[in-house]
Amino acid sequence: KAGVTQTPRYLIKTRGQQVTLSCSPISGHRSVSWYQQTPGQGLQFLFEYFSETQRNKGNFPGRFSGRQFSNSRSEMNVSTLELGDSALYLCASSLDGGIITGELFFGEGSRLTVL
Amino acid sequence: AQTVTQSQPEMSVQEAETVTLSCTYDTSENNYYLFWYKQPPSRQMILVIRQEAYKQQNATENRFSVNFQKAAKSFSLKISDSQLGDTAMYFCAFIPTGGGADGLTFGKGTHLIIQP
Repeated sequence: KAGVTQTPRYLIKTRGQQVTLSCSPISGHRSVSWYQQTPGQGLQFLFEYFSETQRNKGNFPGRFSGRQFSNSRSEMNVSTLELGDSALYLCASSLDGGIITGELFFGEGSRLTVL
Repeated sequence: AQTVTQSQPEMSVQEAETVTLSCTYDTSENNYYLFWYKQPPSRQMILVIRQEAYKQQNATENRFSVNFQKAAKSFSLKISDSQLGDTAMYFCAFIPTGGGADGLTFGKGTHLIIQP
């Protein structure tokens, strides 16, 4: 069974640009959640999608958005990039229980560098 | 809001030794889940062990076990017979039963190094 796949693995952008990250969950998983990981702030919850609907959202500005498609694949978008957006963005998928049971399966992450 | 604190930024032990990672949390919730996640150098995070707060019995998974003290809001992870492959970042995490608007709340992590 294939794991959680995130693309791209690495990317470099400049301030003001926008970026889209993709996440393909494990087959059969309907919940996808996103986390931002930085050395200073650690792991912070961005949002969770379940069956194409955003179910929960963390405390991030509106520049951070996401969506989920009918095949459960998810994308997150960051507009008007700032230097502080440099981070490892982790995607995690889970079964219908979503994030409630904590059985998250993580991808390897997308490393975003903003110059 | 919940907080999770891991007071040991880094630990180093010899192979085959036993090591305990500390975690404390703060919440007003009575029912919740606690987790330990491992993030090896390759960065893919995996679930090590899970504890349900209403269960008094401490969870165990092979060489991994927890010491869950609900009243003290403490949730430590013990790794027995440590192996080189245990070298990783370890994150303690919390979520209220039924989910929460904040998703999983993670501690800042403990970098565990197993020396040969």
